[in-house]
Amino acid sequence: NAGVTQTPKFQVLKTGQSMTLQCAQDMNHNSMYWYRQDPGMGLRLIYYSASEGTTDKGEVPNGYNVSRLNKREFSLRLESAAPSQTSVYFCASSEDGYTFGSGTRLTVV
Amino acid sequence: GEDVEQSLFLSVREGDSSVINCTYTDSSSTYLYWYKQEPGAGLQLLTYIFSNMDMKQDQRLTVLLNKKDKHLSLRIADTQTGDSAIYFCAETATYGQNFVFGPGTRLSVLP
Repeated sequence: NAGVTQTPKFQVLKTGQSMTLQCAQDMNHNSMYWYRQDPGMGLRLIYYSASEGTTDKGEVPNGYNVSRLNKREFSLRLESAAPSQTSVYFCASSEDGYTFGSGTRLTVV
Repeated sequence: GEDVEQSLFLSVREGDSSVINCTYTDSSSTYLYWYKQEPGAGLQLLTYIFSNMDMKQDQRLTVLLNKKDKHLSLRIADTQTGDSAIYFCAETATYGQNFVFGPGTRLSVLP
């Protein structure tokens, strides 16, 4: 099925642990995005990639790194997780409109 | 920077009309979108409107745009329990790119 696939769907980390959130799209879109969603704050852009080989910071990049591995895949890495990074993370891709993944619910304890 | 504002909550009775409002600050906004997020799911595009349009209708959905006041609304006619979700307004100057999202309005439909 065409779309954006995110893994994992749920994750619990201890403070200081690291992890990578994976995202892949099969629509041949150039642009990909990582957002975090917190109650009452909507979606805030963490990083985006306008095309393969490029990445740029969004509104809230601190504590995160990204890799645009190829046109299909855009991963988000937390090097040292903090409780403030507890959130729901959405990956999206776009060409003429955003398509979102189903989200990763991350809890940092 | 750009800002998009929405009320956080709205409750309506089943069968009534719902009106979800959104205001934005970016005068260069060219496209305005409404997304729906059901519990535990990602965002799904409901509809969008180009800034040179005043109104767009699609079945039970009516989008109104007042560009002068930078005000966008989404009207859902005959609201059903399946319409219960969070509705996000978003704007961009470039079609399909670099959206700025509002905080989302949680619509609760009461029986």
